[in-house]
Amino acid sequence: RKEVEQDPGPFNVPEGATVAFNCTYSNSASQSFFWYRQDCRKEPKLLMSVYSSGNEDGRFTAQLNRASQYISLLIRDSKLSDSATYLCVVNRGVRGGGNKLTFGTGTQLKVEL
Amino acid sequence: DAGVTQSPTHLIKTRGQQVTLRCSPKSGHDTVSWYQQALGQGPQFIFQYYEEEERQRGNFPDRFSGHQFPNYSSELNVNALLLGDSALYLCASSLRLNTDTQYFGPGTRLTVL
Repeated sequence: RKEVEQDPGPFNVPEGATVAFNCTYSNSASQSFFWYRQDCRKEPKLLMSVYSSGNEDGRFTAQLNRASQYISLLIRDSKLSDSATYLCVVNRGVRGGGNKLTFGTGTQLKVEL
Repeated sequence: DAGVTQSPTHLIKTRGQQVTLRCSPKSGHDTVSWYQQALGQGPQFIFQYYEEEERQRGNFPDRFSGHQFPNYSSELNVNALLLGDSALYLCASSLRLNTDTQYFGPGTRLTVL
């Protein structure tokens, strides 16, 4: 079983739609969680951190459920510019210090006119 | 404020050759991590450097080695290249070893023929 699992998509949605991505992780010792966005042939860029209390940044809402080991990302009022691959990322923290980010394979979103 | 830079942007090598990739961290950052991203996959952690020492390592063979210099820049070396080493190699930097937010450079695309 992969440490971080995501539905690869693609999710094809019309502009203005609401879309949700889900992600599960297998290591209960995971400490911090993120969503990164990656445009085609570009580097990943941090979209937002994910907290148990849920957090919102404009049209984006992220949620963490530690009991179910489940992370979600909700995008409201989708824009054409939201088209990208969304990577679910889990940080285990490791003995001796340091951080090892584990990425899912990514979920591809295509927003269409 | 300079972001993470990597060189070269593209590289073509043949099987059995050796390659060195370079990374300069974001201004003020002292920790560098390297990732390999194969086509259609999420980035996979190779190793992390702090205070010129390898602090954490992912599941990669000894053919992959690295170095960090006193100015915090880093190199990734891969020996005896295989076709399967063809990928985007990403460098990420962070401020201090135990900070989990990482910022990625644009990557080096390596093609092994």
